[in-house]
Amino acid sequence: GIQVEQSPPDLILQEGANSTLRCNFSDSVNNLQWFHQNPWGQLINLFYIPSGTKQNGRLSATTVATERYSLLYISSSQTTDSGVYFCAVVLYGNNRLAFGKGNQVVVIP
Amino acid sequence: EPEVTQTPSHQVTQMGQEVILRCVPISNHLYFYWYRQILGQKVEFLVSFYNNEISEKSEIFDDQFSVERPDGSNFTLKIRSTKLEDSAMYFCASTVQGNQPQHFGDGTRLSIL
Repeated sequence: GIQVEQSPPDLILQEGANSTLRCNFSDSVNNLQWFHQNPWGQLINLFYIPSGTKQNGRLSATTVATERYSLLYISSSQTTDSGVYFCAVVLYGNNRLAFGKGNQVVVIP
Repeated sequence: EPEVTQTPSHQVTQMGQEVILRCVPISNHLYFYWYRQILGQKVEFLVSFYNNEISEKSEIFDDQFSVERPDGSNFTLKIRSTKLEDSAMYFCASTVQGNQPQHFGDGTRLSIL
């Protein structure tokens, strides 16, 4: 099956710092989503981004489908950004989301 | 904004008992999914459902599991004869079309004692 690899696995940030999370995937996809899992376990949908660039406040994401990677940028991080960020993709020809193992982010004041 | 709703938020069950997890997908969505997340691990696909039948299932989704859309709004996951290793967060998701974003509910945390 498709491989979804996220890096770095763990990240500690000082409040106000910027960071980049990376997602590599092993095959062509027709859906890519970034999620934030908060401390209560909820999966918050951040971006639907099979290709191109999108921005939402302090967060932005870029997917380069031809090179099979996506990046999530967090700018001016806040303590509420702490949690696990998951990248998930759907292969052409099926409709299941395959998740990576996540990026555990801790923002310290 | 429409949401996927799941009940209950937390379920505690004795090993060997049956449990039913309930979901109300977004009303105009046609594809429905169940995923699970064992504590500290990644989210895993269980099953997808379209046009009143299973369209895809993973190797995890064995005979212990079943899904049903009993009416026009609910989508349920039944786990028969629960085991300790069934303890996990179970997420329901829905989408309007297979390659469109999937919208997730808040999950049901299932604890098997």
